[in-house]
Amino acid sequence: QSVLTQPPSVSAASGQKVTISCSGSTSNIRKNYVSWYQQFPGTAPKLLIYENNKRPSGIPDRFSGSKSGTSATLGITGLQTGDEADFYCGTWDNSLSGYVFGTGTKVTV
Amino acid sequence: EVQLLESGGGLVQPGGSLRLSCAASGFTFGSYAMSWVRQAPGKGPEWVSAITGSGGRTYYADSVKGRFTISRDKNTLYLQMNSLRAEDTAVYYCAKVEDDNGDQVGNGLDVWGQGTTVTVSS
Repeated sequence: QSVLTQPPSVSAASGQKVTISCSGSTSNIRKNYVSWYQQFPGTAPKLLIYENNKRPSGIPDRFSGSKSGTSATLGITGLQTGDEADFYCGTWDNSLSGYVFGTGTKVTV
Repeated sequence: EVQLLESGGGLVQPGGSLRLSCAASGFTFGSYAMSWVRQAPGKGPEWVSAITGSGGRTYYADSVKGRFTISRDKNTLYLQMNSLRAEDTAVYYCAKVEDDNGDQVGNGLDVWGQGTTVTVSS
């Protein structure tokens, strides 16, 4: 059972916007950077956002991240059918002395 | 090109051992912390272990503590897995931490290998 909670699924029409929440606690999200990952079936997760709101090279600015207190949010604008995937938040947990992933959210377009 | 290539997975009986390797190329290996992450069939990713760039500090998930050992040498990351259980069955990925401060084990994982499959079954 993960210490980071995400909605199981979100959906929106092509071209619209979705947001995915990631709820944690003081020992993880409040005190550490949050990352977001996108995963297609049968492939490794791919880093979308790091340090709460930074995008690695090659990630379009349709993807954005934010953090407030013990929660973080991933936003995806201009949804495309190619965005359909599972999305996970991740961060370090000081109490566990380990990295934790969120429960995951399936995005449907 | 930055690349990670895992090997060493396979079928092993409960109680058995395996050593996974992850060959790194295209970056200064010793400048980056590294992690192992696994994913059981139909489940989300689960962090397993991390090691600082120098190899001086290691971290483990409670589920593997005392059974798994992470290490690194030259341009290769290792995961020694002992006393394997059915619940260790998963695809195992090695991943590089994006921060070039080798002590930062908790930042984002920006490069992943293709994964190697471990199946624990009699």
